[in-house]
Amino acid sequence: DAGVTQSPTHLIKTRGQQVTLRCSPISGHKSVSWYQQVLGQGPQFIFQYYEKEERGRGNFPDRFSARQFPNYSSELNVNALLLGDSALYLCASSLGSSGYGNTIYFGEGSWLTVV
Amino acid sequence: GESVGLHLPTLSVQEGDNSIINCAYSNSASDYFIWYKQESGKGPQFIIDIRSNMDKRQGQRVTVLLNKTVKHLSLQIAATQPGDSAVYFCAENRGGGKLIFGQGTELSVKP
Repeated sequence: DAGVTQSPTHLIKTRGQQVTLRCSPISGHKSVSWYQQVLGQGPQFIFQYYEKEERGRGNFPDRFSARQFPNYSSELNVNALLLGDSALYLCASSLGSSGYGNTIYFGEGSWLTVV
Repeated sequence: GESVGLHLPTLSVQEGDNSIINCAYSNSASDYFIWYKQESGKGPQFIIDIRSNMDKRQGQRVTVLLNKTVKHLSLQIAATQPGDSAVYFCAENRGGGKLIFGQGTELSVKP
């Protein structure tokens, strides 16, 4: 079975532009979360979507938005890109929304470079 | 505040030796922890998890120990292999898909 898949794997954008990152969860998983990982640090939680509704949001500005589609795939959008948005963006999926045993699996990430 | 930290940024071990990676947390109400392994250029890979009603949990070549009194957990890897070289993160599961990660320990295995 396929794991969490993300696209694109790498992209370069200019300051002020907008970017859309895509994620397909593991088949049967209904929860998708997004994380930002800056080089040398641990991932930081951005959003969780479960059953197409936003269930949690981290400490990120409104330039960051996301949505989940009826097939449980998800998109992360970042507007008005800043140099500091350069990072690895990770998508994670799980069967349910939370709880012990609800293992969270990560994709390989999308590397975003803002120049 | 939210804090999950690791004691050492790097750890170097000889192939075949046991590795111990430590992690401290600050929230005494925390009750669910996970260890992830992240190889260069890849996403974090689930290793093992533990809930606060346990002191110890074992997997294949890995053991996680949880000491709630001092708010400390550790990951032990038996007979460390070159393929174990990676950055290891402890993370607290806050529910709702939210994981709080530490900064990671980079494990290097010398042949």
